[in-house]
Amino acid sequence: DIQMTQSPSSVSASIGDRVTISCRASQGISSWLAWFQQKPGKAPNLLIYAASSLQSGVPSRFSGSGSGTDFTLTISSLQPEDFATYYCQQAISFPLTFGGGTKVEIK
Amino acid sequence: EVQLVESGGGLVQPGESLRLSCVASGFTFSSYAMTWVRQAPGKGLEWVSATRDSGSNTAYADSVKGRFTISRDNSKNTLYLQMNNLRVEDTAVYYCAKGTTGSTYYFNYWGQGTLVTVSS
Repeated sequence: DIQMTQSPSSVSASIGDRVTISCRASQGISSWLAWFQQKPGKAPNLLIYAASSLQSGVPSRFSGSGSGTDFTLTISSLQPEDFATYYCQQAISFPLTFGGGTKVEIK
Repeated sequence: EVQLVESGGGLVQPGESLRLSCVASGFTFSSYAMTWVRQAPGKGLEWVSATRDSGSNTAYADSVKGRFTISRDNSKNTLYLQMNNLRVEDTAVYYCAKGTTGSTYYFNYWGQGTLVTVSS
């Protein structure tokens, strides 16, 4: 099974800050990676797929990069609605696996 | 508008069974992969099972293999998850989600979730 490790597990940031979240796969997954945002009590929302493709309707302040084993989600200028938990997910092989999540909190 | 509506959750005792349903609308259901993902209270996301568009290929997490069965009825636009021999650790909100193609497992639409509680 492919293990997905996210870091940090939580980050405190202010409005307007640039935030970077990392995701590492235990083996190479090419660009088969997605990023999700989840707010309390709500279903996850797809932000990025294929490592760097922005899902329709997602603000351009979100971007993804990386390939192979190391990936990054960047929020260029943090907005109030961005405080949430973020998950990566590999989509190259079964079992599909998620990272443990990164909670973005208000500083 | 794409909609996914789960139902069938509830409180059951260990060893009992439940069948979850997910009714889809707003897209050609038979053309897309579908999945079940769960989230235990206060925990992260855990993938459970998936099926490609035709239903001919299915996959399961090791934690549910042999106990859960995913199926779909493309004539009824409905995804199912038959859960047998439930365990306390199966307690979670169960989400169904739609893939971005018939055999690609990025999930761009999700239901609201249905809560399954397994407790004696």
